Amino acid sequence: EVQLVESGGGLVQPGGSLRLSCAAAGFMLSDHYVDWVRQAPGKGLEWVGRSRNKANSYRPEFAASVKGRFTISRDASKNSVFLQMNSLKNEDTAVYYCARDRPGDPGVWDYWGLGTLVTVSS
Amino acid sequence: DIQMTQSPSSLSASVGDRVTITCRASRDISNSLAWFQQKPGKAPKSLIYGASGLQSGVPLRFSGSGSGTDFTLTISSLQPEDFATYYCQHYYDYPFTFGGGTKVEIK
Repeated sequence: EVQLVESGGGLVQPGGSLRLSCAAAGFMLSDHYVDWVRQAPGKGLEWVGRSRNKANSYRPEFAASVKGRFTISRDASKNSVFLQMNSLKNEDTAVYYCARDRPGDPGVWDYWGLGTLVTVSS
Repeated sequence: DIQMTQSPSSLSASVGDRVTITCRASRDISNSLAWFQQKPGKAPKSLIYGASGLQSGVPLRFSGSGSGTDFTLTISSLQPEDFATYYCQHYYDYPFTFGGGTKVEIK
């Protein structure tokens, strides 16, 4: 069964850092693009960034709002993707979801994780 | 960035009604459009890709259409489990952007 599970969320002060994990089960994450999408409390969805698959050297893309502060990495041995968030701001408070692309269709997501909540507050 | 505009922002409908939600892109995105359903406190669920392709397991009462800048999501006969918020999203280029959402409520 295909599953994505996010973890690592929590409370962090402005200017702090946090690393989110997205662990996959039931498939090889290295074969897939993985995107991060967030949702601030009571708001809509916002794309954060993506990691291309192994065949495309895991090259990342980021939204302007997080570029230079967030990075994405992978650990194939753990079948996981990580979102490293630095210089966090109050407006980064959100539930963060990871999603994988539909096989062979990099722009399309088929499976999502349940999300992990990040709260940036002093 | 491409802006995605959904309408209406909310609607009230009854079980069995036909519901249509529209999404407009600020420029031509071909058919690079997806639709998602989200229930309160839950992760989004992928419904439609490529403007009209149905994701695996999605009921046939859901359909999508359009290309270029104008798109629609139609629910042919609204069921109790369909009351949720629906989002469109383009994946034509970076950054991907979402519409503001349409909340479908029970009349």
